[in-house]
Amino acid sequence: EIVLTQSPGTLSLSPGERATLSCRASQSVSSGSLAWYQQKPGQAPRLLIYDGSSRATGIPDRFSGSGSGTDFTLTINRLEPEDFAVYYCQQYGGSPRTFGQGTKVEIK
Amino acid sequence: EVQVLESGGGLVQPGGSLRLSCAASGFTFNSYGMSWVRQAPGKGLEWVSGVSGSGDNTWHADSVKGRFTISRDNSKNTVSLQMSSLRVEDTAVYYCAAQRGYFHYWGQGTPVTVSS
Repeated sequence: EIVLTQSPGTLSLSPGERATLSCRASQSVSSGSLAWYQQKPGQAPRLLIYDGSSRATGIPDRFSGSGSGTDFTLTINRLEPEDFAVYYCQQYGGSPRTFGQGTKVEIK
Repeated sequence: EVQVLESGGGLVQPGGSLRLSCAASGFTFNSYGMSWVRQAPGKGLEWVSGVSGSGDNTWHADSVKGRFTISRDNSKNTVSLQMSSLRVEDTAVYYCAAQRGYFHYWGQGTPVTVSS
């Protein structure tokens, strides 16, 4: 099983700042098969990024994904008030599908 | 418009059974695998069970193997999760999701509480 470790656990930032979230895999994730999700309290997760760097439909271009192998990054440029939420990475290069434990982006 | 709607959650005693259902619309249902993903209170996301687009292949997390069964009916665009021998640690919100490896479309979830 591929274990995903996200860091930091919590990121305290102000609107307008850049957020950089990390996701590290215990073994190489084949073909960059990594996705990122945003979850707000009381809501279902929402797909942001798939295949490591492809934005899902309707996702603003301030969200970007990068990385390969075992190290992946989600960058949010110019944080908007609605971006404060919990973010999860998920790999689908191996079985079972696994998620990271999440990074909370909170208002400083 | 894509819609994924779960139902069937509730309160059940340890050792009991429950059947969750998921109805989907707005996308080509049989071209997507379908999965159930759960989230225990205050915790992260955990993939539970998945079924291929044709329904021929199913997969379950080790934590539920032998207790949960996933199935789908492509004629009705529905997915079901039969849960038996439920444990307190199965308490969670259960989400139904359409997948292509990544989880593309999500429902709003149905809560399951296992408690005496």
